[in-house]
Amino acid sequence: GAVVSQHPSWVICKSGTSVKIECRSLDFQATTMFWYRQFPKQSLMLMATSNEGSKATYEQGVEKDKFLINHASLTLSTLTVTSAHPEDSSFYICSASYPSSGNTIYFGEGSWLTVV
Amino acid sequence: GQQVMQIPQYQHVQEGEDFTTYCNSSTTLSNIQWYKQRPGGHPVFLIQLVKSGEVKKQKRLTFQFGEAKKNSSLHITATQTTDVGTYFCAGDSGTYKYIFGTGTRLKVLA
Repeated sequence: GAVVSQHPSWVICKSGTSVKIECRSLDFQATTMFWYRQFPKQSLMLMATSNEGSKATYEQGVEKDKFLINHASLTLSTLTVTSAHPEDSSFYICSASYPSSGNTIYFGEGSWLTVV
Repeated sequence: GQQVMQIPQYQHVQEGEDFTTYCNSSTTLSNIQWYKQRPGGHPVFLIQLVKSGEVKKQKRLTFQFGEAKKNSSLHITATQTTDVGTYFCAGDSGTYKYIFGTGTRLKVLA
């Protein structure tokens, strides 16, 4: 199946700093990628839809200036958590829609962010 | 906005018993997907259902899509310890934007 790679898997940063998470589709072109956030033992919450070459579409309640999303190419989307605070600590996971398989979503491995 | 609920939230079963999780959407879906997430892992795609009333089987797993395309179920026959994890449904209302259900966490006791 399609492969989506996410990097880094784990990151610890200090409060007030920014951290970037990358999501790559390795063997297909993904015009659309999705960013989710998951708190422990909870479901995945859709944060935003990332569209190649255009601005991301954010879900209600998600601060676009806080969570910057860039989809610069058909294989790469990035999520930057700006001015991170401890409450931003979470599991962030991306997915890409694979058109050739009926838009099945393929997930990256996820990134654990801890803000200290 | 669209909401997707799953019941039960938790289920503990003895190995060999059956298990079912139910998924209900507040809106009609164009298709629904099911995922399994092991503790510490990422969601892994299991199956996609598209047609009203569709039933699909994968070995011990049976997936069903309701006639109204607003609900779905996943049934596991004779659970095994390897079935442990959280099962999520994810519904698409036609925008290719999937909203995940609340999940059902399955624990299988040996």
